[in-house]
Amino acid sequence: QKEVEQDPGPLSVPEGAIVSLNCTYSNSAFQYFMWYRQYSRKGPELLMYTYSSGNKEDGRFTAQVDKSSKYISLFIRDSQPSDSATYLCAMDGTSYGKLTFGQGTILTVHP
Amino acid sequence: ETGVTQSPTHLIKTRGQQVTLRCSSQSGHNTVSWYQQALGQGPQFIFQYYREEENGRGNFPPRFSGLQFPNYSSELNVNALELDDSALYLCASSQTGGDSPLHFGNGTRLTVT
Repeated sequence: QKEVEQDPGPLSVPEGAIVSLNCTYSNSAFQYFMWYRQYSRKGPELLMYTYSSGNKEDGRFTAQVDKSSKYISLFIRDSQPSDSATYLCAMDGTSYGKLTFGQGTILTVHP
Repeated sequence: ETGVTQSPTHLIKTRGQQVTLRCSSQSGHNTVSWYQQALGQGPQFIFQYYREEENGRGNFPPRFSGLQFPNYSSELNVNALELDDSALYLCASSQTGGDSPLHFGNGTRLTVT
């Protein structure tokens, strides 16, 4: 069993839809949770960074962490074609920068 | 603020050869981490450097080695290349201390034939 499980999709939605992306994990040591967006032929770009359980909002993006269920989510409101990319969840324990990534979910937002 | 830069962007090597990839960290960052991303997969942690010393290593063999220089730039060296080493190699930098997430470069695409 992988430490971090992420549905690879692909996920295709119409412009304006609400998108929900999810990851589950098995390692209770994970304390920091991140979502990265990766466009084709580019490196991952940090979208959201959270530490505690609960919600964190940044514009159209909301990150949700439930440590008791070992489950994290990213919600994208009013999705745009420019949101089409691969979304990666990532987690870190007590050692900063040694991230464990999910497989990535490919998202396509069509006009 | 200058981001993480990597060179070269693309590289083609033959099995058995050696390769060196380079990374300049983001301004103000003192820690460099390297990741390997196979096609269709998430990045996998190779190792991290802090103060010019290795500070943690993932599940990669010793033929993967690295260096960090006094200006915090870094190199990744891979000896005896294998076909499975074909991947996107990502460098990321951060500032050691709490609440400092990684910022990635655009990677080097390595193809081993």
